[in-house]
Amino acid sequence: EVQLVESGGGWVQPGRSLRLSCTASGFTFGDYALAWVRQAPGKGLEWVGFIRRKAYDETTEYAASVKGRFSMSRDDSKSIGYLQMNSLKIEDTAVYYCAREKTGLDFWGQGTLVTVSP
Amino acid sequence: DIQMTQSPSTLSAFVGDRVTITCRASQSISSWLAWYQLKPGKAPKQLIYRASNLQSGVPSRFSGSGSGTEFTLTINNLQPDDFATYSCQQYSTSTWTFGQGTKVEVK
Repeated sequence: EVQLVESGGGWVQPGRSLRLSCTASGFTFGDYALAWVRQAPGKGLEWVGFIRRKAYDETTEYAASVKGRFSMSRDDSKSIGYLQMNSLKIEDTAVYYCAREKTGLDFWGQGTLVTVSP
Repeated sequence: DIQMTQSPSTLSAFVGDRVTITCRASQSISSWLAWYQLKPGKAPKQLIYRASNLQSGVPSRFSGSGSGTEFTLTINNLQPDDFATYSCQQYSTSTWTFGQGTKVEVK
């Protein structure tokens, strides 16, 4: 069974950093790109970015709203993806989801809440 | 970036109804569109990929159509479990975007 589990969320002050993890199971993690998507309270889904698989040099793409502050990485040997979030802003408050990319996002985790507040 | 506009924002319906949600892209995305179902506290679920392909395990009352800039998600014979929020997503370029979502609520 394909599973994705996010962890690392919590409360953080503006300007600080946080790293989220996405632990995968039930499939060959290294065969897929991994995306991050967020949903702010009362808002729709917002694509954050994705990291391609090793065959594509693990290159990354980011939304303009997070470019230069967020970075993604992956450890295929552990089946874990990471979202490093720096210089956090109040508007980064959201539930963060990781999702497997295959013709869109075919499997998602349940999300982890990040609250950025003084 | 490509903008995705969904309509309506909210839709009220009865069990058994047929409902249609529209998603418009600001430029052509060919058929690079997916639809998702969102429920509070649960992992989002992909319903449709490549505009009209039903994801494995999704009931056949869900269907998608369209290409270019206009797309629709149709739910036939609406079931109690279908009251949720639906969101489209384009993956035509290397920067992806979602529609703002459509909430399907009980009439």
